[in-house]
Amino acid sequence: NAGVMQNPRHLVRRRGQEARLRCSPMKGHSHVYWYRQLPEEGLKFMVYLQKENIIDESGMPKERFSAEFPKEGPSILRIQQVVRGDSAAYFCASSPSTGNSNQPQHFGDGTRLSIL
Amino acid sequence: GQQLNQSPQSMFIQEGEDVSMNCTSSSIFNTWLWYKQDPGEGPVLLIALYKAGELTSNGRLTAQFGITRKDSFLNISASIPSDVGIYFCAGWTRTGANSKLTFGKGITLSVRP
Repeated sequence: NAGVMQNPRHLVRRRGQEARLRCSPMKGHSHVYWYRQLPEEGLKFMVYLQKENIIDESGMPKERFSAEFPKEGPSILRIQQVVRGDSAAYFCASSPSTGNSNQPQHFGDGTRLSIL
Repeated sequence: GQQLNQSPQSMFIQEGEDVSMNCTSSSIFNTWLWYKQDPGEGPVLLIALYKAGELTSNGRLTAQFGITRKDSFLNISASIPSDVGIYFCAGWTRTGANSKLTFGKGITLSVRP
């Protein structure tokens, strides 16, 4: 399966702990996007990355949240000192290139984060 | 910020019926996308629309990109039980190097056998 791979599928953390969510884009895709989804809501954009660069982080909370997409390995969304309000489904999407023609984003199956 | 409006929140139809879903916005989008999400899974792309006025089909699905670039509709014909799920519209905007999708809140479709 050459789709977008996210792990873990489910993650449980206690308040104050750190959560690390991983995303491997589709083969050949160099653009990664992270979204957050609350129950009965649409997906909310968080951050857009290319290899080793953050392109747009306008949807990221200013504190505790960070994202990276290193030259080698998956993209990581990191949430430090988690709070109950961080509980949500976090989705990663990838696209080959924005270029001059919009390339649809393909989504992984998400990580469900639960904060105790 | 940009918002996409989808209503109603839920729709209930009988198997075999056709259904139409609308998506509207106060902002112009360059591209409209329709996704379907099943429980516990990520959104799956159904149809992508790139030009105002474009009408595109994918099997029993048909979608159109509104002339004003502020709306789109998705039609599902001859519905079947596996059409159950949440249907999201999404608009793509690009500002310089930045590119992002804005999603509607989705419409939950139920199909009665």
